[in-house]
Amino acid sequence: GQQLNQSPQSMFIQEGEDVSMNCTSSSIFNTWLWYKQDPGEGPVLLIALYKAGELTSNGRLTAQFGITRKDSFLNISASIPSDVGIYFCAGPIHRDDKIIFGKGTRLHILP
Amino acid sequence: DSGVTQTPKHLITATGQRVTLRCSPRSGDLSVYWYQQSLDQGLQFLIQYYNGEERAKGNILERFSAQQFPDLHSELNLSSLELGDSALYFCASGRSGYEQYFGPGTRLTVT
Repeated sequence: GQQLNQSPQSMFIQEGEDVSMNCTSSSIFNTWLWYKQDPGEGPVLLIALYKAGELTSNGRLTAQFGITRKDSFLNISASIPSDVGIYFCAGPIHRDDKIIFGKGTRLHILP
Repeated sequence: DSGVTQTPKHLITATGQRVTLRCSPRSGDLSVYWYQQSLDQGLQFLIQYYNGEERAKGNILERFSAQQFPDLHSELNLSSLELGDSALYFCASGRSGYEQYFGPGTRLTVT
């Protein structure tokens, strides 16, 4: 079945560094969603992308809808400690509202 | 705060028992989605209700069932519980499109 592949699985960075992660699929997606989950909490919607090539920012976060419609990218600039968590990409797989999630990129910030 | 509420926050029960998890969606949202998240499986879609009707089904076991009431709150019933059912259960709600807003989750521990 369809699945979303996120890379890297895990990242260890220094505070202040920029972060890049991506999400790919073998199928075309018409919408890409990026969520962040803190430990023990529910995922929080960060950015939604609806058009190929679209670049959308939310504060220090920027996400892009890949031109091929099979990938999406999330960048975080000047990382801070509260950026720690798991970042999930998600997208719809049918015409209903059902979405699937990637397995996540776990971001760690070194002291 | 997403506006989605879930109760209880924690639940500890024994194998073979039955539990009910409750979710209240954001004001105005007609769709409710249930997800299971375990350590090795990521976020797995279980079922979706829209305005009281079942709309989409994912990998939901026959021992699990859900419903959405006229006031739009939803309940997820888990019966004949097994150790492997221990997980975080999330409810999400949405209005239109694919954006889903997650509650804080219920952590179920089956002993």
